Amino acid sequence: EVQLVESGGGLVQPGRSLRLSCTASGFTFGDYAMSWVRQAPGKGLEWVGFIRSKAYGGTTEYAASVKGRFTISRDDSKSIAYLQMNSLKTEDTAVYYCTRVPRGGYYFDYWGQGTLVTVSS
Amino acid sequence: DIQMTQSPSSLSASVGDRVTITCQASQDISNYLNWYQQKPGKAPKLLIYDASNLETGVPSRFSGSGSGTDFTFTISSLQPEDIATYYCQQYDNLPPAFGGGTKVEIK
Repeated sequence: EVQLVESGGGLVQPGRSLRLSCTASGFTFGDYAMSWVRQAPGKGLEWVGFIRSKAYGGTTEYAASVKGRFTISRDDSKSIAYLQMNSLKTEDTAVYYCTRVPRGGYYFDYWGQGTLVTVSS
Repeated sequence: DIQMTQSPSSLSASVGDRVTITCQASQDISNYLNWYQQKPGKAPKLLIYDASNLETGVPSRFSGSGSGTDFTFTISSLQPEDIATYYCQQYDNLPPAFGGGTKVEIK
């Protein structure tokens, strides 16, 4: 059974940093791209970024709203994906979901339960 | 960037009713269109991929159709457990983009 478990959310002041983790199980983690999608309170879904598998260079792509502030990385030996968030803004307040990206498309076939990040002074 | 316009933003229907949601892309996306269901307080779940293919385990009352710029999601007979917000999402080009969502309620 595929499982994705996020951790690391919490309350953080504007301008500070936070790192989220996504621990995966139930599949060969290194074979898949992984992505982060967020949802502000009461709002819709927004793609944040993703990281390709090592077979495809392990490269990353980001939404314009987070590019230059957020960094996605992965540790295939531990089956963990990370989202490093720097220079946080109040508008980054959201539930952050870790998702698996199936081969052949920029979409999301499995989702974690999400972790809430609140950016507030 | 491709924009996805979903309508209606909310609807109320009776149990057993046929429910239809539409999604329009700002440019041709072929069939690179998915539908997700998000129940209150839960993570989204992939229901339909490539516009019309049902994910394993998804009830057959759910269906999708369309290609190019215009897509339709249908629940053939609404059930109480279908109360949720439904999102379309294109993946023809980066960035992947979601529609604004359709909240489905029981009348």
